Amino acid sequence: ETGVTQTPRHLVMGMTNKKSLKCEQHLGHNAMYWYKQSAKKPLELMFVYNFKEQTENNSVPSRFSPECPNSSHLFLHLHTLQPEDSALYLCASSQVSTSGVTDTQYFGPGTRLTVL
Amino acid sequence: AQKITQTQPGMFVQEKEAVTLDCTYDTSDPSYGLFWYKQPSSGEMIFLIYQGSYDQQNATEGRYSLNFQKARKSANLVISASQLGDSAMYFCAMREGLQGAQKLVFGQGTRLTINP
Repeated sequence: ETGVTQTPRHLVMGMTNKKSLKCEQHLGHNAMYWYKQSAKKPLELMFVYNFKEQTENNSVPSRFSPECPNSSHLFLHLHTLQPEDSALYLCASSQVSTSGVTDTQYFGPGTRLTVL
Repeated sequence: AQKITQTQPGMFVQEKEAVTLDCTYDTSDPSYGLFWYKQPSSGEMIFLIYQGSYDQQNATEGRYSLNFQKARKSANLVISASQLGDSAMYFCAMREGLQGAQKLVFGQGTRLTINP
């Protein structure tokens, strides 16, 4: 595997279900990101993890719960979602140098989520 | 206030012609980075080109070049000799500051269609 991978690629869930999205980066990066892309809206940052520590939560509802067990893996746990949460969820990774300078973000193919 | 503005919702261009996709940005931070990403119908965001605010020359990557006009706060993407495979959504994005894992702010995107 190369680059950034995401599973599953498509997910349909009911509002009472619990599911998880998985992201894995094979680039040796140390920062990972979750973005949400809804129809007719710009891509929105949800969470940022730098060296496995969450550094940004962009006012995301608690029904979205991120987890970063190591610098290569990022999860997004979903529970009691709403139909308006249907969107493409994109994961990205980047390298932050020891001097703190961050490099380009590389994205995975996304998980297309439909909430019924 | 919108930080990234892409004023062209859609563009139609003949194959082999050059095309310019517009992007203007708004920031008071002297250190920032500007990015262009391509998103085919498959959903993956593909990094195309980067311009740093302190870069003296316009960035180029193969058929892609970035027309960076700092005083006008514009960062237009130029694609030379367009190909059918260039048909996709194109997003301009900005990162404010250069330190740490930084969030990207995206524009609304431009849908480019290349006609044979």
